[in-house]
Formats: sequence, structure tokens, C-alpha cells
Amino acid sequence: GEDVEQSLFLSVREGDSSVINCTYTDSSSTYLYWYKQEPGAGLQLLTYIFSNMDMKQDQRLTVLLNKKDKHLSLRIADTQTGDSAIYFCAEKGGATNKLIFGTGTLLAVQP
Amino acid sequence: EAEVAQSPRYKITEKSQAVAFWCDPISGHATLYWYRQILGQGPELLVQFQDESVVDDSQLPKDRFSAERLKGVDSTLKIQPAELGDSAMYLCASSLRQADIQYFGAGTRLSVL
Repeated sequence: GEDVEQSLFLSVREGDSSVINCTYTDSSSTYLYWYKQEPGAGLQLLTYIFSNMDMKQDQRLTVLLNKKDKHLSLRIADTQTGDSAIYFCAEKGGATNKLIFGTGTLLAVQP
Repeated sequence: EAEVAQSPRYKITEKSQAVAFWCDPISGHATLYWYRQILGQGPELLVQFQDESVVDDSQLPKDRFSAERLKGVDSTLKIQPAELGDSAMYLCASSLRQADIQYFGAGTRLSVL
């Protein structure tokens, strides 16, 4: 079945780079997404990557996709305290188009 | 900037009572989704509408949950009767078409006592 896994917690110092990792199981996924959720709020789309790409860069964000290993990562350069939040990886299954979310990674940025 | 609107933001109810949540998608978005997010977990799809039709409700507990989108615009999700395990964040999302990016509302936080 479809499953998405993430590490639970990451702590970095302000100004450092953060790397959040995700593994998924559905090889037919067409798109993979990164969403950000601040406390008590909904999900904000950060970026996404099409499955035939291996890298996408958008300002401070870099997404790397290893389709062979079904591994996705999100790198945040120059991490700021405002980046503290929960980050969700999600895959979109080809058959149903529904999003399957990971459990989320809590990013804590220390000043 | 257009947003997905949800109300109420917070709802406290006693078990066995009925509750209802409302969602207004971004104007022109044909596809509407209801997700449930239990604390510490990622969102899980409950129901997906294409215009006024349900296209996926395989994870909706149909004995107590119902959802409608009568005119293909706004939508209501109802729980009757509420149980303690229903305490969660209920998120609504919309997309222009089924395969497009989903945009989320701020959610309704439900606490069942």
C-alpha cells in the first residue's frame, strides 16, 4: 500500500542549513509535495516536484528526488526562526490523485 | 489572495452530540477535499468531491460522518453522534481540477468531551 515516512524531529541553529528527509512507497507517484504547518494553522504549500525531475530549487528551498530509492529531501538554506514548524512530505498517487501525507517533521530553529 | 475559508475555527462538543463544519473553496475550484488530522499525524483524506459528486469517500466512517456539496461550491461535513476519538483538526482543501495543487484552509479544531 501507499506509505510515506519521515523522521519526527530536527533541531538546527539559525543560519545553518536544514535537511528534512522523506521516503515513500508508491512508485507510480506523479508529484511529490512539501507542506509547512505552523501551530494551530492549516497547511501551506512550500514546493513540489514532478516525478521525472531529480532537483528543483526555489529561493532558499532545494528539493532532491531519488526515484530509484523513493527518497525525497527538502533543504532549507540559511534557516531562520520563522522556519520553525512541522513539515509534511506528501505523494500524489497516480491512480486516485489523492495526497498521502507523512507524519511530519518538527523543525526547531535555535537562535 | 484567494483562500479556502472554514468555520468555525474551534468547536467543543460533548460525545453523542451532532457537529457540523463548513468550507468555502477558492472561487472556481471544482475539486474539494475534507481531511482529518489527528494530533501528531499527517492529514488523511476523508472525502473528495468533483463539483457536487463524491469521487472518493472510502475512508469516511459512513455510520456517523456525512458530507455534502449540493451546488458544487461550498461544503458541509457532519458528525452525528460525535465520539471521543473524533477529536482532531478537520482540514478542507480545494484544487482547480482533480490533478492540480491542493490549497488548504486554516482548519476546524474539534474537541469532543
